[in-house]
Amino acid sequence: GEDVEQSLFLSVREGDSSVINCTYTDSSSTYLYWYKQEPGAGLQLLTYIFSNMDMKQDQRLTVLLNKKDKHLSLRIADTQTGDSAIYFCAESMDHTGFQKLVFGTGTRLLVSP
Amino acid sequence: ETGVTQTPRHLVMGMTNKKSLKCEQHLGHNAMYWYKQSAKKPLELMFVYSLEERVENNSVPSRFSPECPNSSHLFLHLHTLQPEDSALYLCASSRDRNQPQHFGDGTRLSIL
Repeated sequence: GEDVEQSLFLSVREGDSSVINCTYTDSSSTYLYWYKQEPGAGLQLLTYIFSNMDMKQDQRLTVLLNKKDKHLSLRIADTQTGDSAIYFCAESMDHTGFQKLVFGTGTRLLVSP
Repeated sequence: ETGVTQTPRHLVMGMTNKKSLKCEQHLGHNAMYWYKQSAKKPLELMFVYSLEERVENNSVPSRFSPECPNSSHLFLHLHTLQPEDSALYLCASSRDRNQPQHFGDGTRLSIL
């Protein structure tokens, strides 16, 4: 079945690293995504990783993929108060000729000064 | 500025009203999507259009009617909605139907 799971909440102090974890179910997923949603806004594509990679780094963001365990993580270095938001993990599934995204319920990150 | 613009940002309507949500993308993409985001539930895919042809209708009730007149515009026509339809409706687009999706800021819909 389609199921992407994330922890609901993470609280860190400004300057610390944040690690948001996600597990997914479809081993044939081509891409895995991280989106950020700030209050009153839509989803902002943060980064994504192709399934044949196990790590991708983009400035303060590091994505780790463990295909064997179907585990994806997003590490934010030097977390800032502006990083406070909800973070969604999504897996892509081939579905009748298009890439269907299956989202988790999101992890709310709270960064305190 | 995401390149995907949704209007209106907020909409309050009665159950007997008819209204439309509009989405416009300025990214030159060929695929567009409607999603529903309800509290405490994962995003639900509603419709997918690729090159103006509908390729997915994810068991959405007929009171929601999509329209894609060209690859830059997507509408969601609403009629006789129910209170449980209150949610954030998000539009997204992608270069083609297998590329990353970029979202608009959504329309917050409240049904009285």
